[in-house]
Amino acid sequence: GAGVSQSPRYKVAKRGQDVALRCDPISGHVSLFWYQQALGQGPEFLTYFQNEAQLDKSGLPSDRFFAERPEGSVSTLKIQRTQQEDSAVYLCASSLYTSRNSYEQYFGPGTRLTVT
Amino acid sequence: GQQVMQIPQYQHVQEGEDFTTYCNSSTTLSNIQWYKQRPGGHPVFLIQLVKSGEVKKQKRLTFQFGEAKKNSSLHITATQTTDVGTYFCAESIYNQGGKLIFGQGTELSVKP
Repeated sequence: GAGVSQSPRYKVAKRGQDVALRCDPISGHVSLFWYQQALGQGPEFLTYFQNEAQLDKSGLPSDRFFAERPEGSVSTLKIQRTQQEDSAVYLCASSLYTSRNSYEQYFGPGTRLTVT
Repeated sequence: GQQVMQIPQYQHVQEGEDFTTYCNSSTTLSNIQWYKQRPGGHPVFLIQLVKSGEVKKQKRLTFQFGEAKKNSSLHITATQTTDVGTYFCAESIYNQGGKLIFGQGTELSVKP
């Protein structure tokens, strides 16, 4: 079946521009996560949704970052007034929220954001 | 906050040699997951370990969870060029929706 998809795959933004990154999770997956991956580093947690509820946004680096998932499926990560330090790959992952021991996450291909 | 340390950062091996990456935590881990990320790709789930001292095998890959649940290792026997990529360990934080706390990863290159 279809996996997690993200768009755009690549985005170049001038410093100060706003960007919107889209994630389509696997159908039926209740949980959705956003991670930021800098070059040569492991992914770092940004925010988590269970259905349409944003239950954890503790990883968002500043109030310029905003995420939503209004209907509990597609999610958008918005970055306002982009800065060079925002350059990274933004990964979306979804998981089937079932039991305590079923937290395998399925990652999308990511959006590589370059701020110039 | 939680932190998972992973070593080495890079490992270059000749095809056919073995490879091991280690994950360490100063606090007890509730579980450990391993992911593989091919160059230019995204993380792909390999396995989850939950029990103290647990050992799981997948063909040439052997995963271990320490007795104290503070460390884990991934060992690949007789590496192949298809093993190239970065291997990450991560803890899934169950009471926070399962969010993953990743180690820094070990990048494996295999010379044919």
